[in-house]
Amino acid sequence: NAGVTQTPKFRVLKTGQSMTLLCAQDMNHEYMYWYRQDPGMGLRLIHYSVGEGTTAKGEVPDGYNVSRLKKQNFLLGLESAAPSQTSVYFCASSLPGGAKTEAFFGQGTRLTVV
Amino acid sequence: QQQVKQSPQSLIVQKGGIPIINCAYENTAFDYFPWYQQFPGKGPALLIAIRPDVSEKKEGRFTISFNKSAKQFSLHIMDSQPGDSATYFCAASSGGSQGNLIFGKGTKLSVKP
Repeated sequence: NAGVTQTPKFRVLKTGQSMTLLCAQDMNHEYMYWYRQDPGMGLRLIHYSVGEGTTAKGEVPDGYNVSRLKKQNFLLGLESAAPSQTSVYFCASSLPGGAKTEAFFGQGTRLTVV
Repeated sequence: QQQVKQSPQSLIVQKGGIPIINCAYENTAFDYFPWYQQFPGKGPALLIAIRPDVSEKKEGRFTISFNKSAKQFSLHIMDSQPGDSATYFCAASSGGSQGNLIFGKGTKLSVKP
């Protein structure tokens, strides 16, 4: 029972470098989300997707891009990393009904931008 | 603009105590209020959720109390155990299936043996 799997688990980037975080879910969920978690800030939504081929902006989308080419995968890209993007990133998925159903979270990716 | 205000930021109780975490919201369109539990190094996991048509919901030792008129809801943990030590997030959502979860800032709970 893999659930939601995020890769990588840890990464250190230099300012200006790019990277892609991968999220994969095996629960056939329609909805997928990317959040960032910062101390004292809770979880803030970056982007989300309500189905294959569709994406939408969340609360803090600037500096990030996403793609949902396959239903089971949701990619989060940082084109030019900045120290302000140092954070723990969580991917989540849920059934249709979106925020009114249980969101299943991955174990997170700890990203440090130096 | 913080739409869900959570307090306290941290909480320490003795084993067997009843920690209470409070959340308040402004948006009257919110109609789903879940609580998530997060252990260190793990992702959050749904603990319990309530809809505004009921004032209380219990699941095991966890109870949500909901006050629609005051726009407040709270989590009570009965007979708390050291294994309950975690960070707890309240959240709220609205807007049908397209609505997104708005999380509070979290409460770090420590239950001392």
